[in-house]
Amino acid sequence: GIQVEQSPPDLILQEGANSTLRCNFSDSVNNLQWFHQNPWGQLINLFYIPSGTKQNGRLSATTVATERYSLLYISSSQTTDSGVYFCAVLRQSNSGGYQKVTFGTGTKLQVIP
Amino acid sequence: GAVVSQHPSRVICKSGTSVKIECRSLDFQATTMFWYRQFPKQSLMLMATSNEGSKATYEQGVEKDKFLINHASLTLSTLTVTSAHPEDSSFYICSASRIGISGNTIYFGEGSWLTVV
Repeated sequence: GIQVEQSPPDLILQEGANSTLRCNFSDSVNNLQWFHQNPWGQLINLFYIPSGTKQNGRLSATTVATERYSLLYISSSQTTDSGVYFCAVLRQSNSGGYQKVTFGTGTKLQVIP
Repeated sequence: GAVVSQHPSRVICKSGTSVKIECRSLDFQATTMFWYRQFPKQSLMLMATSNEGSKATYEQGVEKDKFLINHASLTLSTLTVTSAHPEDSSFYICSASRIGISGNTIYFGEGSWLTVV
């Protein structure tokens, strides 16, 4: 099956710093999403980004589908940004009826005051 | 926006008993829902795909008789962990796919922490 690797696996930032998280995938995909999992386990959808660049406040994401990677940028990080960030790729099922989701390995981010 | 609700958020059960987790799409119809399991400090692993009105499709290595999935309506899927054992303790999370103008978006439930004692 498709492999989805994220880097770095762990990241510690000083509050106010910027960071870039990377997601590499081994095959073509229909779509890609970025999620933030908070300390309580809840997954928050950040971006739905099959290609191109999107921005939402301090966060932005870029996907280059032809080169099979996506980047998540966090600027002016805050302690509330702490948690695990997952990318997930979506591929159409063989029957075409639904999309199958494969999660990346995750990046654990800790923002310290 | 679209919301997927999962219940219960936390459950503790005795070894040997069964526990049911519900996943509801609150403002859209989901013909397909997904169930994931997450062990501590690991990524989410897909357990099964739940299709409304038909049998679930299980991933390799997932015991279908142990993790019973029922997708009785377009807004409800349930996961029943049968004869639970301590090694079944984990974080279970569901998701549903919403078809929109720009494509399909996956929405996740809040997750359920299962502890088997």
